[in-house]
Amino acid sequence: GQQVMQIPQYQHVQEGEDFTTYCNSSTTLSNIQWYKQRPGGHPVFLIQLVKSGEVKKQKRLTFQFGEAKKNSSLHITATQTTDVGTYFCAVTNDYKLSFGAGTTVTVRA
Amino acid sequence: KAGVTQTPRYLIKTRGQQVTLSCSPISGHRSVSWYQQTPGQGLQFLFEYFSETQRNKGNFPGRFSGRQFSNSRSEMNVSTLELGDSALYLCASSLGGSGTDMGRYTFGSGTRLTVV
Repeated sequence: GQQVMQIPQYQHVQEGEDFTTYCNSSTTLSNIQWYKQRPGGHPVFLIQLVKSGEVKKQKRLTFQFGEAKKNSSLHITATQTTDVGTYFCAVTNDYKLSFGAGTTVTVRA
Repeated sequence: KAGVTQTPRYLIKTRGQQVTLSCSPISGHRSVSWYQQTPGQGLQFLFEYFSETQRNKGNFPGRFSGRQFSNSRSEMNVSTLELGDSALYLCASSLGGSGTDMGRYTFGSGTRLTVV
């Protein structure tokens, strides 16, 4: 099945700084979704990207789908303590979500 | 609009026992999926049901089974529990479109299963 690789696995960020997490696939994706899971919580849907080169923003979060639809990124600006958690990218295929391993974000105040 | 409800939230079982987990999807959502989350393996797909039909099944042993009822509620069962089955079991519901576009998934809070 389709697999996505996420990097980095861990991201330690100073409060107020920016960071980016990446999701890469060896095959062309029909779409990609991003989820956030807070510590002790469950995955919560953030966004779905469908079109080549698509860029979507949610406040301080910017999501991008690559031109070749083989990669995606999530960029967070001015990181806050509320951004702590694990961010997963996921692809849908054959009636299932295939998740990346996630990027776990910690924030230094 | 109520979210996805999973019961129970926590469960402790002994090796060899069986367990049944329940999931009530968002009203109107006909697709229910189950995922196992462990620190070592991450989020792994178990199975997906739509209108009482299993449309896909992950790479898990036959001890893992599920079903969906006519009201879209779903249950999953694990028989002959092993220590390695300890995990967070998550249920997700979606409108359930095509195989490549299921729409957004809404996850329940999960059932934390500990096998001792």
